Amino acid sequence: GAVVSQHPSWVICKSGTSVKIECRSLDFQATTMFWYRQFPKQSLMLMATSNEGSKATYEQGVEKDKFLINHASLTLSTLTVTSAHPEDSSFYICSARDRTRSNQPQHFGDGTRLSIL
Amino acid sequence: TQLLEQSPQFLSIQEGENLTVYCNSSSVFSSLQWYRQEPGEGPVLLVTVVTGGEVKKLKRLTFQFGDARKDSSLHITAAQPGDTGLYLCAGDRGKGGKLIFGQGTELSVKP
Repeated sequence: GAVVSQHPSWVICKSGTSVKIECRSLDFQATTMFWYRQFPKQSLMLMATSNEGSKATYEQGVEKDKFLINHASLTLSTLTVTSAHPEDSSFYICSARDRTRSNQPQHFGDGTRLSIL
Repeated sequence: TQLLEQSPQFLSIQEGENLTVYCNSSSVFSSLQWYRQEPGEGPVLLVTVVTGGEVKKLKRLTFQFGDARKDSSLHITAAQPGDTGLYLCAGDRGKGGKLIFGQGTELSVKP
């Protein structure tokens, strides 16, 4: 079945560091990928829609200069948390939709646990 | 404004009991998905419902989509400790492919 790979799965770094998270669709192409943030025991909160070859679309209240998204190919989107601070600590999840199967549900990665000290 | 209201948000029951989780909205969805998520992992798709009034069964889990495609329910029969997890409903309005998630239901089944 369709697989979305997310890397790294866990990252711990010092305050002020920039952290890049990768989201790859392994056996399908995705013109659109989605980035979510999740706090413990809460639901997923959509941060932005990543569009291949164009600018990402950010949800209201999400700082685009803080959370940089690049979708340079049909199988890879990256989320960079710039100058991360402890309040950015969270579980970040990406998802992707097969561009040839628009009526099929999104496939989710296994998430990245980000801890900022 | 929460577009998809999921309830209850927390549920702690004994093994063998039945339970129902509800997702309600004033919006119409082209489809609705149910996911189960364990700590430290991404959501895993359980089912997609598309047709109003549709009922799907997955072993002890029964999913129903409302006739007007605005609401859905998940019923678990004879819950087991392995059912413990976060259950999420997500509606697809077919506009840009974005999913609208409910608040989630944290289910704990005690042996």
